[in-house]
Amino acid sequence: SQKIEQNSEALNIQEGKTATLTCNYTNYSPAYLQWYRQDPGRGPVFLLLIRENEKEKRKERLKVTFDTTLKQSLFHITASQPADSATYLCALPRSGGSYIPTFGRGTSLIVHP
Amino acid sequence: EAQVTQNPRYLITVTGKKLTVTCSQNMNHEYMSWYRQDPGLGLRQIYYSMNVEVTDKGDVPEGYKVSRKEKRNFPLILESPSPNQTSLYFCASTHQAGGNSPLHFGNGTRLTVT
Repeated sequence: SQKIEQNSEALNIQEGKTATLTCNYTNYSPAYLQWYRQDPGRGPVFLLLIRENEKEKRKERLKVTFDTTLKQSLFHITASQPADSATYLCALPRSGGSYIPTFGRGTSLIVHP
Repeated sequence: EAQVTQNPRYLITVTGKKLTVTCSQNMNHEYMSWYRQDPGLGLRQIYYSMNVEVTDKGDVPEGYKVSRKEKRNFPLILESPSPNQTSLYFCASTHQAGGNSPLHFGNGTRLTVT
């Protein structure tokens, strides 16, 4: 069955460091992968999309990589700030042609001042 | 402002009392969806709609109903709520099913069923 795995343990880092979050998947052949940010009690907010033919995508301090051989995406936040503390979710479209995204359970990031 | 609006934000009810959670989007999106989010289980899809009058079950549809009579509205109906439906609910929409456009989420409805 299709599975998306994100580290369930919170990632604690110091302000100014680079945070790296991982999204692994099995039994998918996704045409793209999305990353979202979710603050407690709020709806997820879209951050970045990366397509299968793209190795890397950047947006300000964010960088996403997509390795379809390893079946893995890495999400980096450089020069992290306490305001970056949130849960980060990856999402992939299910196979079958229609847009039915499935979300990983998310990884909590805590940036300490 | 482009947004997905859910109401109410918080709802406490008793077992068996029918309720409706409303969802409205002002972006002319075709695709709308309902999710529930529970600790340790992540976001799970309840129902989705590809367009007006087209709805389909997601992963956890039992105990829920939806309708899509207008493009902008996608209400979630619990005919006979039970305590296991206590959860945080999110409505989401996107431009077009089958594409790669991002989902826009509402701010959530926290439902407690006693």
